[in-house]
Amino acid sequence: ELKVEQNPLFLSMQEGKNYTIYCNYSTTSDRLYWYRQDPGKSLESLFVLLSNGAVKQEGRLMASLDTKARLSTLHITAAVHDLSATYFCAVDPLIQGAQKLVFGQGTRLTINP
Amino acid sequence: IAGITQAPTSQILAAGRRMTLRCTQDMRHNAMYWYRQDLGLGLRLIHYSNTAGTTGKGEVPDGYSVSRANTDDFPLTLASAVPSQTSVYFCASGFPAGGPQFFGPGTRLTVL
Repeated sequence: ELKVEQNPLFLSMQEGKNYTIYCNYSTTSDRLYWYRQDPGKSLESLFVLLSNGAVKQEGRLMASLDTKARLSTLHITAAVHDLSATYFCAVDPLIQGAQKLVFGQGTRLTINP
Repeated sequence: IAGITQAPTSQILAAGRRMTLRCTQDMRHNAMYWYRQDLGLGLRLIHYSNTAGTTGKGEVPDGYSVSRANTDDFPLTLASAVPSQTSVYFCASGFPAGGPQFFGPGTRLTVL
């Protein structure tokens, strides 16, 4: 059974600082997704990582995937208040014919001025 | 319609009552999904459908049923609601071969 764990679960940081959110998973997969959720809102797709060594960047966010370590990271550079949200990683366990994503618990990020 | 819609937005329901949550997409995605979101647990897959006419069980299917009569609609039914089904329910759609799933706005359900 695939397990997906994120850490930290809560992160409070100052504007302008850098930090990394980690997503570890327990079984083989090379398909991993990052989503953002604002309070009371739906989930928005951020990154799609589909191979070992994949790196995607959008603004101050960069995501990477190491399938051998079963680890993905979401790096925040020079954080700004607008990035405050909950971030989820989700892993596709590669069950033939179905995309049954398994989500991490989420990391609630608060960026303080 | 643009994207995925869900109805109702929120609902308070007495235990034992039957409830159907509605989900409609206009993106012509083959696959649709129902998740529940509970604090500290992330999202958990309830049921999914890869194409019209087929459905499958997710991680937490007990107490829920789905149907997929056409490409656009994927209703979720609670036959006899229990308080542990209090949650926020998200419908999503995408392609079964891969790629991101796109989520609806959610339904907040409270079972008393």
